[in-house]
Amino acid sequence: EDQVTQSPEALRLQEGESSSLNCSYTVSGLRGLFWYRQDPGKGPEFLFTLYSAGEEKEKERLKATLTKKESFLHITAPKPEDSATYLCAVPLRDNYGQNFVFGPGTRLSVLP
Amino acid sequence: EAGVTQFPSHSVIEKGQTVTLRCDPISGHDNLYWYRRVMGKEIKFLLHFVKESKQDESGMPNNRFLAERTGGTYSTLKVQPAELEDSGVYFCASSQDLSEKLFFGSGTQLSVL
Repeated sequence: EDQVTQSPEALRLQEGESSSLNCSYTVSGLRGLFWYRQDPGKGPEFLFTLYSAGEEKEKERLKATLTKKESFLHITAPKPEDSATYLCAVPLRDNYGQNFVFGPGTRLSVLP
Repeated sequence: EAGVTQFPSHSVIEKGQTVTLRCDPISGHDNLYWYRRVMGKEIKFLLHFVKESKQDESGMPNNRFLAERTGGTYSTLKVQPAELEDSGVYFCASSQDLSEKLFFGSGTQLSVL
């Protein structure tokens, strides 16, 4: 069964304190790993898609990396506005389309 | 460009009643998805439309849930009769192509009392 787990469940950082979030997956025939950001009362907002081991993508203070079994979301010198829940997701096996299995998310709080 | 719009934003109903949620995808997006998050759980896939056709409804929990997308534009998700365990946030998402990122609406918070 396709599974996605994330750690830590919650993370509190001081502004400027860099850290990493982890997403582990058990999916055969990976068709991409997606990172989303979710703010309270909003739907998930797309950040990155990674397709193959070794791939990296960056956006402002965020960098996502992918290995064969996990992905990391590195946050460099975070700011309070980076506070959100970060979700990773993979498309269901044997489906085409974006029928995702979502991880439980990491709640990030960045304190000023 | 307008995003994905969901209505209502909140709904409080009693067990046994019927509720209909509506989703307006981004104009031109053929793919429309319904997801939901129940308390303390991950966001779970419910179903996928391509235009007006149900491509995959393997995530629908039972026959109390009925989704439609007449004309391939907006979609409705009806729960009849609602049960306590149906409480949660129902998200709609859309995309232009199958492999593209999803654009999510802000969700409908459903509370069944």
